[in-house]
Amino acid sequence: DGGITQSPKYLFRKEGQNVTLSCEQNLNHDAMYWYRQDPGQGLRLIYYSQIVNDFQKGDIAEGYSVSREKKESFPLTVTSAQKNPTAFYLCASSIRGPGGFDEQFFGPGTRLTVL
Amino acid sequence: AQSVAQPEDQVNVAEGNPLTVKCTYSVSGNPYLFWYVQYPNRGLQFLLKYITGDNLVKGSYGFEAEFNKSQTSFHLKKPSALVSDSALYFCAVREENPGSARQLTFGSGTQLTVLP
Repeated sequence: DGGITQSPKYLFRKEGQNVTLSCEQNLNHDAMYWYRQDPGQGLRLIYYSQIVNDFQKGDIAEGYSVSREKKESFPLTVTSAQKNPTAFYLCASSIRGPGGFDEQFFGPGTRLTVL
Repeated sequence: AQSVAQPEDQVNVAEGNPLTVKCTYSVSGNPYLFWYVQYPNRGLQFLLKYITGDNLVKGSYGFEAEFNKSQTSFHLKKPSALVSDSALYFCAVREENPGSARQLTFGSGTQLTVLP
């Protein structure tokens, strides 16, 4: 998982609460991504960012928000509007933006459980 | 639209035997293809990718994959499986399209179990 850290590893949330997942990378990568992983499904893209102060919605952005104030950091907020937030969340980065063929490097993930 | 299919949810193989994890894809143009591996409660690790050139791509941990354009496949292979290869494997694709921000599309994953 080298170079990308996610915290916390496990997170519990009560219904109606917003929570923020942290993602930091020291790889000097331009692009960062947030994915959601559910059992038996592939990864689904929530948001991505190609440069600082810019981000784009992925396939399942509803109920989530992000910011990219620093190149190294791309936090994800799961809002109370997300109806089924229990999942494993993965952050990734790549050297250049998603238009290229660079592989993505993944963090260790955060498992969010809504109680 | 681009898509990728991993037709087998589960693959079992005996240690020392060759293994194959299947992947087929669909894109409008040329594909970029990737294989990743995930161990329990961990992030994905990159194994190998096909961009262009030689159809046989060699990657990490002795894995290789063969790009077959006519069959639109990119199967992952290893000549001799290890118990430590047991993990969840993901194939991913995106269409070659310079300047496009089209994202990677991941398959649903194949659980590989290598039996001792």
